[in-house]
Amino acid sequence: SQTIHQWPATLVQPVGSPLSLECTVEGTSNPNLYWYRQAAGRGLQLLFYSVGIGQISSEVPQNLSASRPQDRQFILSSKKLLLSDSGFYLCAWRSQGSGGYTFGSGTRLTVV
Amino acid sequence: QQPVQSPQAVILREGEDAVINCSSSKALYSVHWYRQKHGEAPVFLMILLKGGEQKGHDKISASFNEKKQQSSLYLTASQLSYSGTYFCGTELRTSYDKVIFGPGTSLSVIP
Repeated sequence: SQTIHQWPATLVQPVGSPLSLECTVEGTSNPNLYWYRQAAGRGLQLLFYSVGIGQISSEVPQNLSASRPQDRQFILSSKKLLLSDSGFYLCAWRSQGSGGYTFGSGTRLTVV
Repeated sequence: QQPVQSPQAVILREGEDAVINCSSSKALYSVHWYRQKHGEAPVFLMILLKGGEQKGHDKISASFNEKKQQSSLYLTASQLSYSGTYFCGTELRTSYDKVIFGPGTSLSVIP
């Protein structure tokens, strides 16, 4: 069965510090992968998506970047965090069977 | 590009029915529906791909009117476990492979 792992669960980082969030998927190959962010009490904002290794599409210009170094690994990074980067970060993969997205458990990031 | 959802919030008593609407200004390839409980990740409910398609499981179903670019989620005989925020997500015909989510509808079921 397919599973998606995302870590860490919570993170408190000072303004100006770097960020690296990792997401891995098991049990499938060449999945479409996505990073979404959810501000407190708000909807889901698409940040990046990838349809293959090294293929990244950016949806929102900001100080975040994404990379896909391996087929089932998706990384979200920042060189210098801003207060506005706080939020709930969710990684997702798309099931080729159902067509729906399965989300990881998320990382709650607080920038202080 | 973000779909519009209505209502923003709804409160139901157990056993009552609700309808959540989702609409887009652009031609759609598919509509997704998800439910998110407080503090948790969203969970996939269903996807509708064809105009006129209707799907459902348990007492939650949805329809997709491709011509009007609208979808509706129907919750019948609501249960306490239905509480949460419901998001529709749309894929455009011009850019499928990415889903843009609506702002969500908060649904509270009370005894």
